[in-house]
Amino acid sequence: DTGVSQDPRHKITKRGQNVTFRCDPISEHNRLYWYRQTLGQGPEFLTYFQNEAQLEKSRLLSDRFSAERPKGSFSTLEIQRTEQGDSAMYLCASLRAWGEKLFFGSGTQLSVL
Amino acid sequence: AQTVTQSQPEMSVQEAETVTLSCTYDTSESDYYLFWYKQPPSRQMILVIRQEAYKQQNATENRFSVNFQKAAKSFSLKISDSQLGDAAMYFCAYRTQTQGGSEKLVFGKGTKLTVNP
Repeated sequence: DTGVSQDPRHKITKRGQNVTFRCDPISEHNRLYWYRQTLGQGPEFLTYFQNEAQLEKSRLLSDRFSAERPKGSFSTLEIQRTEQGDSAMYLCASLRAWGEKLFFGSGTQLSVL
Repeated sequence: AQTVTQSQPEMSVQEAETVTLSCTYDTSESDYYLFWYKQPPSRQMILVIRQEAYKQQNATENRFSVNFQKAAKSFSLKISDSQLGDAAMYFCAYRTQTQGGSEKLVFGKGTKLTVNP
C-alpha cells in the first residue's frame, strides 16, 4: 500500500494555458474521485470514476475540464484555457469498495497567473 | 442537497487540555456516514474518526471521540489530552449511504486548530 500519488505537487501556469494533473490510486482501488479545494474552503466534489467509467460529474466541472481514467488505473484531470478562478488545490482520492475507507493524495496546487 | 456547517473558523487549546469542535449538517436521509478529517500543512486529508448514522453509540478512536446527536443533526469532535501534532485544519464531512451511489463526500469549511505549548 503505497498510498494515492499525485503529480505534480505544484503547478504554476499563465492564464489561457492548458494543464494536466495525474493521479495514481492505490492498487486494486476501483473507485477514484477528484475534489477541488480553494483557500479557506473544504474540498468540493468534482467527479467520480468506477473503474474506467466516469459515473458522476459535478456542475463545478465546466466544459474546460475533462477527466479520464483509461484502463481503470491512473486518472488525469485536464483544464483547458485556464482562468485565475481555477487556482486551487486539486485532490484525488481512491476507495476499494463501497463502504470502505477513502484514501486521499497530497494534492496538486495550481496557481494561475 | 446535503450541507455541512462548521461554525468555528478557528479554535485554540493548551497542550494536554481538551477541545471540542462543532459541526452541524442538514439532510433528509436517514442512513449516512459522518466523518472528521484532519488536514495538516502537508495537505493530505487524514481520516480521524467516522460514525454510522444508524449506530447510537458514539465513535471513539484513542484521544478522539464524537458526540453524535442525530435528531439535532449535530456531530462534534472532542480531542482529549491535546498534543502539538494535533494542530491542523479539521473538516467535518457527510457521505450518503445509498449503495450504488458515488459515495462522494460533502465537506464543511473547516476549523483551524492551534495547540499552544
